[in-house]
Amino acid sequence: KNQVEQSPQSLIILEGKNCTLQCNYTVSPFSNLRWYKQDTGRGPVSLTIMTFSENTKSNGRYTATLDADTKQSSLHITASQLSDSASYICVVSTLSSGGSYIPTFGRGTSLIVHP
Amino acid sequence: DAGVIQSPRHEVTEMGQEVTLRCKPISGHDYLFWYRQTMMRGLELLIYFNNNVPIDDSGMPEDRFSAKMPNASFSTLKIQPSEPRDSAVYFCASSLNRDGETQYFGPGTRLLVL
Repeated sequence: KNQVEQSPQSLIILEGKNCTLQCNYTVSPFSNLRWYKQDTGRGPVSLTIMTFSENTKSNGRYTATLDADTKQSSLHITASQLSDSASYICVVSTLSSGGSYIPTFGRGTSLIVHP
Repeated sequence: DAGVIQSPRHEVTEMGQEVTLRCKPISGHDYLFWYRQTMMRGLELLIYFNNNVPIDDSGMPEDRFSAKMPNASFSTLKIQPSEPRDSAVYFCASSLNRDGETQYFGPGTRLLVL
């Protein structure tokens, strides 16, 4: 069964500190992996998309890594800001034999940045 | 562009009533997705369209749910009859491409079925 597991479930850090969120998956065959940021009461916003051949991608202070061999991804946030407080969702996609897009969602990591 | 537009933003209804959620994708986007998000199950893909044609509706929970896309700028998700367990936030998203492109989400419709 395709699964995406995220850890930790929640995280509290002080403003200015770095943090790393983890995503492990069993989705196969792999198509791509996305990280989304979802602020409370809003829709998810895409941070990064990585395909099989990419092992790192950055978006400002956000850097995602992908190890397709171990089926692990991480999202590193540098010099955290209060606005980073949100839920971070990992989504791994596969394509069905019929060419249909099939995403598997993680439950998200809730990050709180304290001043 | 105003982004993906959803209406209503909030909906409160009684069990058994019909509910219609609306979505206007970003102009020029070929793909439109409907998602549901709850605390218990997280985000779930319900159905998606390519060029107004439904491609995969395997995520639609049951026959009470139906979705249409009569043209490139409008889609509806209908629940009839609604049940309390349908209470959730329903998101619409659109993208230029099925898989390799960024999906842009709307603000969501928060549905409460009493």
